[in-house]
Order: sequence, then C-alpha cells, then structure tokens
Amino acid sequence: ELKVEQNPLFLSMQEGKNYTIYCNYSTTSDRLYWYRQDPGKSLESLFVLLSNGAVKQEGRLMASLDTKARLSTLHITAAVHDLSATYFCAGADSNYQLIWGAGTKLIIKP
Amino acid sequence: NAGVTQTPKFRVLKTGQSMTLLCAQDMNHEYMYWYRQDPGMGLRLIHYSVGEGTTAKGEVPDGYNVSRLKKQNFLLGLESAAPSQTSVYFCASSYPWLVSGTYEQYFGPGTRLTVT
Repeated sequence: ELKVEQNPLFLSMQEGKNYTIYCNYSTTSDRLYWYRQDPGKSLESLFVLLSNGAVKQEGRLMASLDTKARLSTLHITAAVHDLSATYFCAGADSNYQLIWGAGTKLIIKP
Repeated sequence: NAGVTQTPKFRVLKTGQSMTLLCAQDMNHEYMYWYRQDPGMGLRLIHYSVGEGTTAKGEVPDGYNVSRLKKQNFLLGLESAAPSQTSVYFCASSYPWLVSGTYEQYFGPGTRLTVT
C-alpha cells in the first residue's frame, strides 16, 4: 500500500530565503506529482515527474525525483510572497489512483 | 473551455438530509474522481469512474453514492448526511492513464459542505 509523507507540514520563511519541501513515499511509484493550493481555492498542477532523476523547474520552484530513495523534493529559491500556498505531493499507486501527502503550508513573510 | 465545474459551491445540511453534488467537465476526459479534503489531511478518494456508466470505490466510499450517466458529468450523492461528512469536496478529471502518460488530474473549484 502506497503511503506518502510530506515534511515539514508547516513552514514560515522570509522572502529571499531558500528552502526545500520533502516528499517520501513507501512503495514503488512510477510518477510523482506536485500541486499548489491557494487558501479557499482549488488545486493547480505544478509538476509531474515521470522517471528517476527527473528535474523540472518553473520560476523559483524546482522539483526532483529520486525513485531509489523514494524521495521527491520541491525547492524554493529566493522565496517571494506570491509563493505562499499549500503544496501537495502525490504518488500513483498500482491501481492508477493518486495517494496524497498531507500538504505543506508555506507562509512567506516580507 | 470551462474546465471542471462543480455545483453548488456551498451547502449547509442538517443531519439526515440528502443532497447531490454535480461535477461537469468539458475536456472529454474519460476518468473522473470525487475527493474530500479535511483540515490537516491530504485529499482522500471517495469514488471514481473510468468511463461512462462505470464507477468504483475509493479509499473512503461509505455514506456516498455516485453515478456517471454521461461522460461529462459525475454526481456524488449523500443519502443521509452526517456531521462527519462536513468537508470540502473536489471533483477532478483526467485522460486515461495509458493515453495521457502524465495522468494529470484537473480539479474543480470545490464544494464546501457543512452538516449540522
């Protein structure tokens, strides 16, 4: 049974700083997803990582996947206030269902 | 394209009442899903459908029923609402796994349901 754990669950940081959100999963998952959710809003797809060593970047966000370590990371570079949101990772289980982490609430202070 | 839409956006029910949440998508997606989101937890799958006329149970199906009579619509029913069903409900849709490659899911805006 696939389980997905994120840490930290809450992160408060200053603008301009760098930080990383970690997503660990328990069994084989051949793809890993990152989504963003603004307060009271829906979920927006950020990245889909399909293979070991995959790295994707958009703006100040970079996601990577290490299938051997069963670990994905979402790195934030020089954070800005607009990146404040809750970030979710999800893995795909053997039935093609997405199993979600609990989410990381990110607050970026000016 | 409207993408994925959900009706209603908000609803307050009394215990024992029933209601139906409607999800509609205009992307011609085969797969559709209903999730619930509770504070401090990720999304949990209630039911899903891999095509018109088909439905399957997800992780937390008890107390809910679904129907997929048309490809573009996926309905979630609560026959006898309970306070434990207070949550935010999201509908999502996607292409089939083998077709899309990424199997990316697209989400609706959510329905906030309170059961008193």
